[in-house]
Amino acid sequence: EAGVTQFPSHSVIEKGQTVTLRCDPISGHDNLYWYRRVMGKEIKFLLHFVKESKQDESGMPNNRFLAERTGGTYSTLKVQPAELEDSGVYFCASSQHEQGANYGYTFGSGTRLTVV
Amino acid sequence: GIQVEQSPPDLILQEGANSTLRCNFSDSVNNLQWFHQNPWGQLINLFYIPSGTKQNGRLSATTVATERYSLLYISSSQTTDSGVYFCAVAKGFQGAQKLVFGQGTRLTINP
Repeated sequence: EAGVTQFPSHSVIEKGQTVTLRCDPISGHDNLYWYRRVMGKEIKFLLHFVKESKQDESGMPNNRFLAERTGGTYSTLKVQPAELEDSGVYFCASSQHEQGANYGYTFGSGTRLTVV
Repeated sequence: GIQVEQSPPDLILQEGANSTLRCNFSDSVNNLQWFHQNPWGQLINLFYIPSGTKQNGRLSATTVATERYSLLYISSSQTTDSGVYFCAVAKGFQGAQKLVFGQGTRLTINP
């Protein structure tokens, strides 16, 4: 099966511009998550979709970040306007839960965002 | 929330050496995974191991859930093993799973 796909793999934008990251989860995975690693720090949770609904967006840093998952398939994460501190690697992950058991997460290769 | 601590923070070894990376966590968990972030930034899933022992080639992992720690073993290290190794845990089942990552162990394998 195809894995979690993210694009672009790398984006360089100027401060104040807008960038949209895209994530295609594994087909059939209802759960989709966004994480990011900034400035060499630990990887932190941003938000969690169950199908098209936002289950938990407690990790979103501020209102410059907007995530959507139209139709419960792919997801986009828009940063508008981008700031220097937004630079980092943005990861998407998906998972499938059955009968209360967990099968782990599969992560995409990430989008490296550089704001200059 | 759950705290995850990894040790050591940095590890430098010669090719062919063995290594053990540790992950301690502060609460019972339903999910524990080990990841390798390679020099290109990709996050590769190594093991899904909330308990027990698993092996995959030169890598193996053991989680002792009752004592809240996990170990990742790398034998006969190769330069391609270099990168940052993350442990991540989650608590709860459907719809309530967000991974909490440790700060990582940076492994450097010198030729």
